[in-house]
Amino acid sequence: AIQLTQSPSSLSASVGDRVTITCRASQGISSALAWYQQKPGKPPNLLIYDASTLQSGVPSRFSGSGSGTDFTLTIISLQPEDFASYYCQQFNNYPPTFGGGTKVEIK
Amino acid sequence: EVQLVESGGGLAQPGGSLRLSCAASGFSFSSYSMNWIRQAPGKGLEYISFISSSGTTIYYADSVKGRFTIFRDNAKNSLYLQMNSLRAEDTALYYCARRRAHSSGCDYWGQGTLVTVSS
Repeated sequence: AIQLTQSPSSLSASVGDRVTITCRASQGISSALAWYQQKPGKPPNLLIYDASTLQSGVPSRFSGSGSGTDFTLTIISLQPEDFASYYCQQFNNYPPTFGGGTKVEIK
Repeated sequence: EVQLVESGGGLAQPGGSLRLSCAASGFSFSSYSMNWIRQAPGKGLEYISFISSSGTTIYYADSVKGRFTIFRDNAKNSLYLQMNSLRAEDTALYYCARRRAHSSGCDYWGQGTLVTVSS
């Protein structure tokens, strides 16, 4: 199975900060990557699909980039509602594995 | 409005069985592939199983292969997960999720149903 390594596993940031989360695949996955946000007690919410396409209804401060093995989720100006956990998931090969997650906390 | 509602979770003994259900509404269920994903308490997301829209293509994670069976009834707009030979490590919140058509991502998720395996 393809391994996805997210970094960092956690970070502390302030409102207004630019935040970058990376996801590295153990082998090339083209652009078959999604990013999710999960808040405590809630299911994951799709933010980005196909590595860089913003899901409908997701604020434009979120963006995704990358292809092959290296991917990035960027939040350009962190808002109070963005403090949550973030996960990447690859869809190039089955099973569609998840990264280990990144918890974004308030500094 | 798209809705996915899981049910069937609860307490099971090690070696026991449970059947999870996911009732879908608000979209053409038979046109979408579906997935089961779980999350152990305080842990990350783990992909469990996939089934294509017609039910002819199925995948399982190695951790559940041979013990869990995914199936669907398109006439009833329902997805199922038969869980046998349950282990303590199967304790988790189980989500059903719709695969976004022709792209990478699961765009709708249920609220989950909790499975606890303990004696």
